[in-house]
Amino acid sequence: GDSVTQMEGPVTLSEEAFLTINCTYTATGYPSLFWYVQYPGEGLQLLLKATKADDKGSNKGFEATYRKETTSFHLEKGSVQVSDSAVYFCALSGSGGSYIPTFGRGTSLIVHP
Amino acid sequence: DAGITQSPRHKVTETGTPVTLRCHQTENHRYMYWYRQDPGHGLRLIHYSYGVKDTDKGEVSDGYSVSRSKTEDFLLTLESATSSQTSVYFCAISESAAGRGETQYFGPGTRLLVL
Repeated sequence: GDSVTQMEGPVTLSEEAFLTINCTYTATGYPSLFWYVQYPGEGLQLLLKATKADDKGSNKGFEATYRKETTSFHLEKGSVQVSDSAVYFCALSGSGGSYIPTFGRGTSLIVHP
Repeated sequence: DAGITQSPRHKVTETGTPVTLRCHQTENHRYMYWYRQDPGHGLRLIHYSYGVKDTDKGEVSDGYSVSRSKTEDFLLTLESATSSQTSVYFCAISESAAGRGETQYFGPGTRLLVL
């Protein structure tokens, strides 16, 4: 079945540092890929998505590129802020192998001033 | 922001009591979902609905039931709460099937503590 693997956290960075959160997936077919973000005490919200190979999703300075050859969708940001502290979830759906989305376990990001 | 509310937002109950959580949406989306979030497990799907009176089980449905009598409301019931059901519960909606690549929109969550 489908699966999503994220790097374990927490990831701890200083403000203005470069961020990478790794995400790899296993799926049949050609899924859409997502990054959701969960701020403390809130529900998940869509950060960005990509629907086909080589697509780049971007939002709020975050980017991720759909790499079919490496089955990856790594999240990057050039300069993190304290307000980016949150839990980040990688997810996939639409592979044809499952009728529901598949989420990674989440990666906690802590940004210090 | 998508119009999704959950009630109650916090609840403490005792083992063996029934509990009902409510999800209400104002987006007229066809699909609604209930997830639970636990440390080390991420999000796990409990049940979902693809229309009024149309529901199906997710990966952790034992001990839970759902009902959807109106498009805007999706109820999750714990028939007899157990301590293992202590969790944060999230409702989500999508315009079409999330399993087909559609974006999901999540509610603010309900924190449930079963003593």
